[in-house]
Amino acid sequence: NAGVTQTPKFRILKIGQSMTLQCTQDMNHNYMYWYRQDPGMGLKLIYYSVGAGITDKGEVPNGYNVSRSTTEDFPLRLELAAPSQTSVYFCASSYLDETQYFGPGTRLLVL
Amino acid sequence: DAKTTQPTSMDCAEGRAANLPCNHSTISGNEYVYWYRQIHSQGPQYIIHGLKNNETNEMASLIITEDRKSSTLILPHATLRDTAVYYCIVGTDYKLSFGAGTTVTVRA
Repeated sequence: NAGVTQTPKFRILKIGQSMTLQCTQDMNHNYMYWYRQDPGMGLKLIYYSVGAGITDKGEVPNGYNVSRSTTEDFPLRLELAAPSQTSVYFCASSYLDETQYFGPGTRLLVL
Repeated sequence: DAKTTQPTSMDCAEGRAANLPCNHSTISGNEYVYWYRQIHSQGPQYIIHGLKNNETNEMASLIITEDRKSSTLILPHATLRDTAVYYCIVGTDYKLSFGAGTTVTVRA
């Protein structure tokens, strides 16, 4: 199993641009999550999903959107990129509310 | 969610046990204690979790005090590869809240 994969690894965006961060898991987990991590800080939950077609906001959802059309995929959409969204983004998945498995992260720089 | 307090950093000698403390004085009766670690900006990695009883797995041991207001993660024989940020988290469900954690440096 590849586990949780994320693309791209690194991206530079200009202010106002949009992009989608991809996340895929092959463990048949029903729960999936998006976190962001600012330099020197812990992770903050952006959005999460408990199954296909179900999403909910986490601690810091503003400026982001998600969808969950399949069990495997949980893309994160940034519509109007702002410098405050410069961060490292981690996707994770779990079987119900058990151990979370994290992807390698996407580093985003907004200039 | 209850909050946790961890030391900012600590050093450990290679081959020795590393004892990482965590205070969670406002923990609720049904909240678990979880430990994750993050090695050099990689995605966090699950280590262990517990509710009341002490727990042990192939990576570490978790000691929870009887009043559940604090816990200690023990890495029995620290190696250089254990250098990481260690997060102590309390919660009842899947919405984990990561603090700043403890930066552990294992020295040869």
